[in-house]
Amino acid sequence: QVQLQESGPGLVKPSQTLSLTCTVSGGSISSGGYYWSWIRQHPGKGLEWIGYIYYSGSTYYNPSLKSRVTISVDTSKNQFSLKLSSVTAADTAVYYCARAPDDIGGAFDIWGQGTMVTVSS
Amino acid sequence: QSALTQPASVSGSPGQSITISCTGTSSDVGSYNLVSWYQQHPGKAPKLMIYEVSKRPSGVSNRFSGSKSGNTASLTISGLQAEDEADYYCCSYAGSSTSVFGGGTKLTVL
Repeated sequence: QVQLQESGPGLVKPSQTLSLTCTVSGGSISSGGYYWSWIRQHPGKGLEWIGYIYYSGSTYYNPSLKSRVTISVDTSKNQFSLKLSSVTAADTAVYYCARAPDDIGGAFDIWGQGTMVTVSS
Repeated sequence: QSALTQPASVSGSPGQSITISCTGTSSDVGSYNLVSWYQQHPGKAPKLMIYEVSKRPSGVSNRFSGSKSGNTASLTISGLQAEDEADYYCCSYAGSSTSVFGGGTKLTVL
């Protein structure tokens, strides 16, 4: 059974780069047909799609975040990562990684437990 | 890319049916049969309940159903149970390999 687990600093200073990693267990990140995704949720608010990386390496980002976001994959470690640059307090949120299979229209079928990231000096 | 519009809250009594709407535009909900719904209990990760407008993943109760008309998708929960109390989010493909979520709806079981 595939499981996802986010990891990374819980506190980031303003203007710095937020870096998170999602480790995939129980399956290979290199197997075809999946979009590996990042989604965030501001405190007490709704979900916001950040972007995803296809197993082929192609990346797709939320237009509102595109200038600050980079998603990459490390197949040797079975991980994918999120970098969000020039963060502000508005980037304080719970960050989730999730899997979106091709064959269910890209819906997010498996989620990590989420990791809270606070942007503060 | 604007968030899809959902009612902030809905409520119903045990055994009743409720419907949550999700309104988008002709660029997202209206153009693709790629709407999904998620249930989120407090402090937990979202759980996929419906994909491709009306399909249920294995293990999801058949009390949950989805539909779409024009730019509006809907999630219906029949035979409401206490454990259905949660936040619900819709999500749609929005073209150019992007996705957009709704603002979420808090379901209260009275």
